[in-house]
Amino acid sequence: KAGVTQTPRYLIKTRGQQVTLSCSPISGHRSVSWYQQTPGQGLQFLFEYFSETQRNKGNFPGRFSGRQFSNSRSEMNVSTLELGDSALYLCASSSGGLTNSPLHFGNGTRLTVT
Amino acid sequence: GQQVMQIPQYQHVQEGEDFTTYCNSSTTLSNIQWYKQRPGGHPVFLIQLVKSGEVKKQKRLTFQFGEAKKNSSLHITATQTTDVGTYFCAGPPPSGSARQLTFGSGTQLTVLP
Repeated sequence: KAGVTQTPRYLIKTRGQQVTLSCSPISGHRSVSWYQQTPGQGLQFLFEYFSETQRNKGNFPGRFSGRQFSNSRSEMNVSTLELGDSALYLCASSSGGLTNSPLHFGNGTRLTVT
Repeated sequence: GQQVMQIPQYQHVQEGEDFTTYCNSSTTLSNIQWYKQRPGGHPVFLIQLVKSGEVKKQKRLTFQFGEAKKNSSLHITATQTTDVGTYFCAGPPPSGSARQLTFGSGTQLTVLP
């Protein structure tokens, strides 16, 4: 079974620009969560999508948004980039049912904002 | 909000020595999960503990969940160079999605050959 695929692996953007990151979950997984990882703040939850609906959202500004498509693929968008948005963005898929199914992370997208 | 604290932040051991990392939550957890992230890699799920006082073993790794379900530990016996990485504990919020995990800050393990 193929794992979680994130594209692109690396991105360099300038302050004020916007960026879109993509995530393809494990086949059959309907839940996609996004996390931001930085040396200072560690791993922080951004949001979760399940069946094309945002289920939960972390404590991030509205510049961070996402969506999920009918095939469970997900995208996250960050608008008006700031230097502090430089981070590793991790997508994780899970079966998403009522049980506490574990997260399967992708390799991440390393975003650098200059 | 919910906080998950993990100590130590760094640990250097000689190959063959034991290693332990501790995790404490500010709230009672319905379950606790452990992940390992190799340098340059992504977090990989190791195990989930659900029951109060639960102990699970995976080869040289022993995981414990406290009686009050607020703390947990991971113990590695006779470390090997393949154990290098950062170990994170994580727990779901008291209410809400099980996927909205609060991660500890991690313990970065270095194993010296």
